[in-house]
Amino acid sequence: QKEVEQDPGPLSVPEGAIVSLNCTYSNSAFQYFMWYRQYSRKGPELLMYTYSSGNKEDGRFTAQVDKSSKYISLFIRDSQPSDSATYLCAATQLGGTSYGKLTFGQGTILTVHP
Amino acid sequence: ETGVTQSPTHLIKTRGQQVTLRCSSQSGHNTVSWYQQALGQGPQFIFQYYREEENGRGNFPPRFSGLQFPNYSSELNVNALELDDSALYLCASSPKTQRGETQYFGPGTRLLVL
Repeated sequence: QKEVEQDPGPLSVPEGAIVSLNCTYSNSAFQYFMWYRQYSRKGPELLMYTYSSGNKEDGRFTAQVDKSSKYISLFIRDSQPSDSATYLCAATQLGGTSYGKLTFGQGTILTVHP
Repeated sequence: ETGVTQSPTHLIKTRGQQVTLRCSSQSGHNTVSWYQQALGQGPQFIFQYYREEENGRGNFPPRFSGLQFPNYSSELNVNALELDDSALYLCASSPKTQRGETQYFGPGTRLLVL
């Protein structure tokens, strides 16, 4: 079992839709959770990070973490064609030999149609 | 743009050869991490360097090695290349004063092993 699981999609939505992207994780030691966006043939771009449980909002993007159910979500409001990309969730823990190691999900391919 | 640069952008090698990939970290960042991203997968952590020393390592064999220089730039060396080493190699930098979650990725080097 992978430590971070993510539905690869693909996910296709019309412009203006609310998009929900989700991941689950199995390692209880994970404390920081991140979402990256990766355009084709580019490196991942950090969108947001969240510490422990709770919500974080940045413009059209909202990240949620529920540590009790080990569930990570990213919501995109008023989706735009420019949001079409692969979205990667990632997690990390502090301290120990795993310090600095980001564990990624497989990535979800999102297409927003005009 | 993150300010993390990588060279070369593309590389073709044959099985058994050796390769060196290079990374310049973002200004003010003293920690560099390397990841391997196979097609259709999320990045996999190879190792991290901080102050010229390996600070953590993922499940990669010893033929994957690295260096960090006093200016915080870094190299990834892969010996005895195998076909499965074909992937996008990503470098990420982060300021050690912050936690490992704020890692900023470069555009990657795409390696093809024939």
